[in-house]
Amino acid sequence: AQSVTQLGSHVSVSEGALVLLRCNYSSSVPPYLFWYVQYPNQGLQLLLKYTSAATLVKGINGFEAEFKKSETSFHLTKPSAHMSDAAEYFCAVRSGGGADGLTFGKGTHLIIQP
Amino acid sequence: GAGVSQSPRYKVTKRGQDVALRCDPISGHVSLYWYRQALGQGPEFLTYFNYEAQQDKSGLPNDRFSAERPEGSISTLTIQRTEQRDSAMYRCASSTVGGAPTETQYFGPGTRLLVL
Repeated sequence: AQSVTQLGSHVSVSEGALVLLRCNYSSSVPPYLFWYVQYPNQGLQLLLKYTSAATLVKGINGFEAEFKKSETSFHLTKPSAHMSDAAEYFCAVRSGGGADGLTFGKGTHLIIQP
Repeated sequence: GAGVSQSPRYKVTKRGQDVALRCDPISGHVSLYWYRQALGQGPEFLTYFNYEAQQDKSGLPNDRFSAERPEGSISTLTIQRTEQRDSAMYRCASSTVGGAPTETQYFGPGTRLLVL
């Protein structure tokens, strides 16, 4: 069985400040990890994914995430927040066994303060 | 090109009625996934197809839920005898190649279902 825990249902940062969204996973086999973003009234869009090629993964819009096996974490960061980053962010895991469905966390709503 | 589309975008129905939700994947995508997302939660996997074959339906909550993809393209998720607890956002996703765990799933805008 696999699961994802996202700490903090809401995170508020000031424009220009560091963004840190936390994700911890549980998986009995080597995981593949994903971050998706959801803007209002839109579908989920892939930000980045960990595929075991490199532990530091760079994504779109200046986001990156680092896979840390010892901490079972895959936290999402961005050095400087922009107002357009306000959205819902979901971390997801898939086991290495095959192309079955993703297991998502509950999501973190990112609020950007002007 | 066009992304994943879903229809209707909003559906209001009365308890006990059947509903059919449609998903039109990106052209040429082999795999198609259905998820359900309750308010304040992340998407929850329901079922998926490779071409027309349903590969895994372990996430379907009960036998009132069924899905088909008869020609390997458009898919329909049907909920029979709807109940208020079925109210949620239903999301569809597609991906290019079935069988690769690193493949990206592309999501549609979802259908918001409200059962009165």
